[in-house]
Amino acid sequence: AQSVAQPEDQVNVAEGNPLTVKCTYSVSGNPYLFWYVQYPNRGLQFLLKYITGDNLVKGSYGFEAEFNKSQTSFHLKKPSALVSDSALYFCAVRDPSGDSGNTGKLIFGQGTTLQVKP
Amino acid sequence: DGGITQSPKYLFRKEGQNVTLSCEQNLNHDAMYWYRQDPGQGLRLIYYSQIVNDFQKGDIAEGYSVSREKKESFPLTVTSAQKNPTAFYLCASSMGQGMGETQYFGPGTRLLVL
Repeated sequence: AQSVAQPEDQVNVAEGNPLTVKCTYSVSGNPYLFWYVQYPNRGLQFLLKYITGDNLVKGSYGFEAEFNKSQTSFHLKKPSALVSDSALYFCAVRDPSGDSGNTGKLIFGQGTTLQVKP
Repeated sequence: DGGITQSPKYLFRKEGQNVTLSCEQNLNHDAMYWYRQDPGQGLRLIYYSQIVNDFQKGDIAEGYSVSREKKESFPLTVTSAQKNPTAFYLCASSMGQGMGETQYFGPGTRLLVL
């Protein structure tokens, strides 16, 4: 079965330091991977996605993510964190060979809270 | 949140009552989705619709119903059969259902039980 794991419930980082939010996935086919951010009591905002091609994907607000097929990972990164980056981050996957191939459904991780301290 | 609106922002349900959550999009998207968000569990798919007048059950459809009479609208009804409705409900849409299509989310409706 397809799944997404975000192994850290919370990540703490000082402003100006680099940040990494981890995501690993399990699918039977080639994955389509997404990152979203959610601010309190708001909907999800799309950050970036990996479909194919270059393993390093650049997205909104200075975020990027690296697809690593051998480690089945898609970690979100930013070179210099801002206090305003503090939010809940979700990794999601679609597996064309799984049931999301029929439904278009995204399979979400449980989310990681990023806390950036001044 | 783009061109997707959800109303109301907060909704209170009494025991035995059906309530309807509104979702409207002006993005001309064909596909629409309803997700439920519970703390620490990520998002789970309730229903989805690929096209007008068609919809399919997701992973947790029991106690919910939907309609898709217009392209821009995909209302969700939480029926009295849903015994644990307290959650944050998110509507999303995408141009199509291709694997690389991005889903865009509305601002959400928080449903609370009185």
